[in-house]
Order: sequence, then structure tokens, then C-alpha cells
Amino acid sequence: DTGVSQNPRHKITKRGQNVTFRCDPISEHNRLYWYRQTLGQGPEFLTYFQNEAQLEKSRLLSDRFSAERPKGSFSTLEIQRTEQGDSAMYLCASSSPPLYEQYFGPGTRLTVT
Amino acid sequence: AQKITQTQPGMFVQEKEAVTLDCTYDTSDQSYGLFWYKQPSSGEMIFLIYQGSYDEQNATEGRYSLNFQKARKSANLVISASQLGDSAMYFCAMREMFSGGYNKLIFGAGTRLAVHP
Repeated sequence: DTGVSQNPRHKITKRGQNVTFRCDPISEHNRLYWYRQTLGQGPEFLTYFQNEAQLEKSRLLSDRFSAERPKGSFSTLEIQRTEQGDSAMYLCASSSPPLYEQYFGPGTRLTVT
Repeated sequence: AQKITQTQPGMFVQEKEAVTLDCTYDTSDQSYGLFWYKQPSSGEMIFLIYQGSYDEQNATEGRYSLNFQKARKSANLVISASQLGDSAMYFCAMREMFSGGYNKLIFGAGTRLAVHP
């Protein structure tokens, strides 16, 4: 069991550029979540996938954010026209019922200059 | 709305001693669950322990135990025999269920634990 992986681990970009992050969940997990964590805070929910279907989106997820999970395996999170306020750690987690616990990846730290 | 409160921004403990990290929660749901996660400086959130609202026994996982007091709406984490590797941020979280039966996690602001030799 290899756990949840995320790439890249760090991303520095200039304001206005687009960025894309990838998450590979634990292979048998059909549920996938994205969270955002800013400095000194706990993670905040962004969006949820069950298999390939995106079933829930937070109002934190503005129109500049889009997430996909083609074929119900890995997921990508894209931010268009990045802003300095997008600087944060982006965490991916996966789970499999009947267990409630979510297993997190190492995160992608985004810095927008 | 559900809410998690962690009132201790930072805690210090001597190696090999026990430490309690506080967590209170607010919910109107009858069925809910509470989690503790550890976040080392590397950034990964590590699942420690889970307590369901209908579980009669307090959850335990090795050196971790959850002191669940339903009437007080508290779910404190107890770490016994602290080790230097326990130094990290600790987050309390609650699952909030959507209508489709799936859930998301609501996190508190965290407590930074420092274990001294």
C-alpha cells in the first residue's frame, strides 16, 4: 500500500499564471477530497469526488478553480489566473467506505509571487 | 453549522510524560464522528484515532486515547509516554455529512505540541 501521493510538492508561480496539481489516491479508494490549508489554520474542504463524479464543491472553489478525476483514478486541481491569495498548501485525501477516516497525501505548497 | 474549537495554540511536555490536547465541538446532529490528525513539519496529515458518537467505549490506538465526553461536547486527545517524535501540530476534526451519505471533515485551528528531552 503506497499511500496518497501528490505532485509537485512545491510550486512557485507568478500572479496570473495557471497551475495544475495532481493527486494519486490509495488504489482501492473510490472517494477523493481536496482541501486547502493556509498558514496557522486547519485544512478547509474544497471538493469531493466519488469515482469520477464530482459530487460536492465548496463555495471556496471560485470559477478560477477546476478539478477533475477522469476514470475515477488520479485527480487534478487547476487554478487559472493565480492570485496571491491562492498561496496555500493544497491537500488531497482519499477514503473507502465503510471506514470514515480520510488518508492524506503530503500536499502541494503553492506560492504565488 | 458544525464547529471545532482547539483553545491551546501550543503545549509543552517532558519526554515520557502524558499530555492532553483539548478539543470541543458543536453540532446539532445525533450521529457524528470525531478525529485526531497529526501534522509534522513535512506537512502530511497523519490519521491517529476516530470516535463515533454512538461508540460507548473511548477509542484507543496504541499510545493515543480519546477522552470522549458527549455531554460536555469534548473529545480530548491523550498521548501517553510522549516521545520526541510526537512534536508536531495536532488537529481535531469532525465529519459533516452531505445528503448523499458521504462526508467532509471540519478541522479546528490546531495545537502545536513540543516534546522536550
